[in-house]
Amino acid sequence: EIVLTQSPGTLSLSPGERATLSCRASQGVTSSYLAWYQQKPGQAPRLLIYGASYRATGIPDRFSGSGSGTDFTLTISRLEPEDFAVYYCQLYGSSLYTFGQGTKLEIK
Amino acid sequence: QVQLQESGPGLVKPSGTLSLTCAVSGGSTSSSNWWSWVRQPPGKGLEWIGEIYHSGSTNYNPSLKSRVTISVDKSKNQFSLKLNDVTAADTAVYYCARDLGSSWLYGLGVWGQGTTVTVSS
Repeated sequence: EIVLTQSPGTLSLSPGERATLSCRASQGVTSSYLAWYQQKPGQAPRLLIYGASYRATGIPDRFSGSGSGTDFTLTISRLEPEDFAVYYCQLYGSSLYTFGQGTKLEIK
Repeated sequence: QVQLQESGPGLVKPSGTLSLTCAVSGGSTSSSNWWSWVRQPPGKGLEWIGEIYHSGSTNYNPSLKSRVTISVDKSKNQFSLKLNDVTAADTAVYYCARDLGSSWLYGLGVWGQGTTVTVSS
C-alpha cells in the first residue's frame, strides 16, 4: 500500500504570501491519480486539483498543482483570508483511495 | 448539479451496526460514477471506507473490509453503508461522495455535508 506523507504539518503565513505544500508518495505514482482537497472547520472537503495539475470547477487560478513520480506540490500564489484551512492530498491506486495526513495552513 | 445527503442514526451502541444512507439528487446512481464513503474521526484526517458502482461492483479499504458493506438502490437513487461490530474508534463524521466519472482521472468531486456518528452505550 502506498503511503502519502504531507509536509509541513502546519504552515504559518500571512495573507498575500505564497504557500507551497508538499505531498510525497512512498513509491512512484501516476499523476492522473493524484488530487488535492481543501477542508475548512465544520465543512466537507472540497476538491481543488485532480490529475495532479487540473483545477476543479470554480477553483481560483491562484491554486495550482504540479509534480510527478513521488513528489507533488500544491501552490497558492497569493493567500487570501479564505484560504486558511487544512489541505489533503489523495491518491487512487490498487482500487482504493489513500489520503495524506493533511497540512494545516494558518494565519501568521 | 448533483447533491448528496447523508442520513442515519447519530448514536450506535458498541458491537452494533452502523447504517447510513446517501440520497442522490440532481443526478443518478445509474450514471458512470463510483460512489464513495469517507470518514473523519474527531480532530483527525480523512479515511476512505469504500466505493460502489451502479453495477454493484465494490472496492473497500482493506483495513475495514471485513466489517463493511456498501450497497446501491437505483430505484431510490441512493447508496448505503453498513459497518458491523463498531467500537468507539468508529466515532466520526461520515461523508458520502461521488467521483469524477473519468476512466483516467481520479478524485471525489461532489461531497455530502457529512453526518456525525457516535459509538457509545
